Amino acid sequence: GAGVSQSPSNKVTEKGKDVELRCDPISGHTALYWYRQSLGQGLEFLIYFQGNSAPDKSGLPSDRFSAERTGGSVSTLTIQRTQQEDSAVYLCASSQGPSYEQYFGPGTRLTVT
Amino acid sequence: QQQVKQSPQSLIVQKGGISIINCAYENTAFDYFPWYQQFPGKGPALLIAIRPDVSEKKEGRFTISFNKSAKQFSLHIMDSQPGDSATYFCAAALSGGYNKLIFGAGTRLAVHP
Repeated sequence: GAGVSQSPSNKVTEKGKDVELRCDPISGHTALYWYRQSLGQGLEFLIYFQGNSAPDKSGLPSDRFSAERTGGSVSTLTIQRTQQEDSAVYLCASSQGPSYEQYFGPGTRLTVT
Repeated sequence: QQQVKQSPQSLIVQKGGISIINCAYENTAFDYFPWYQQFPGKGPALLIAIRPDVSEKKEGRFTISFNKSAKQFSLHIMDSQPGDSATYFCAAALSGGYNKLIFGAGTRLAVHP
């Protein structure tokens, strides 16, 4: 079946603008995760959803970052007033349940100029 | 205590050789240790995973060795092939019901023909 999809694949934005990144998880997967991968770095956990609720938002770096999930499916990560340090690849992963293996999407490469 | 330390940062191996990547952790609450493989422009893909109740797990040419007392685990790639050239990430997840993955910084593997 289809894997995790993310859009856009690339996003270039000016400093101070807001951006929205979208994740479509694998159908039926109840758990959804967002991670950030900065250049040459490992992946940094941002937020975890179980269904539509987010019991763990501990990785969101600032209040400029927010995320929501609707219908237990699609999730949107929003970054307000983007800064250059927000430039990274944002990866979404989903899993069948909270303790199951995570499957990653291809990521959205965000560049803030 | 939340860190996972991965080494080496980069590795060059000749075709047919053994690639070895090491990871160390501090938090004894970690109870799930996956390895991910990432090709350029793609999201990480789960390669193999282990839980602390076993000391070794093998899948094809890939083996995880786990040393609970030393809080270390490693990935061995036997008969390394040029197609194995990728970045490899170890990770660990905290117990507590969901797999919030804490990633190592990654190892860039190049297998030369």
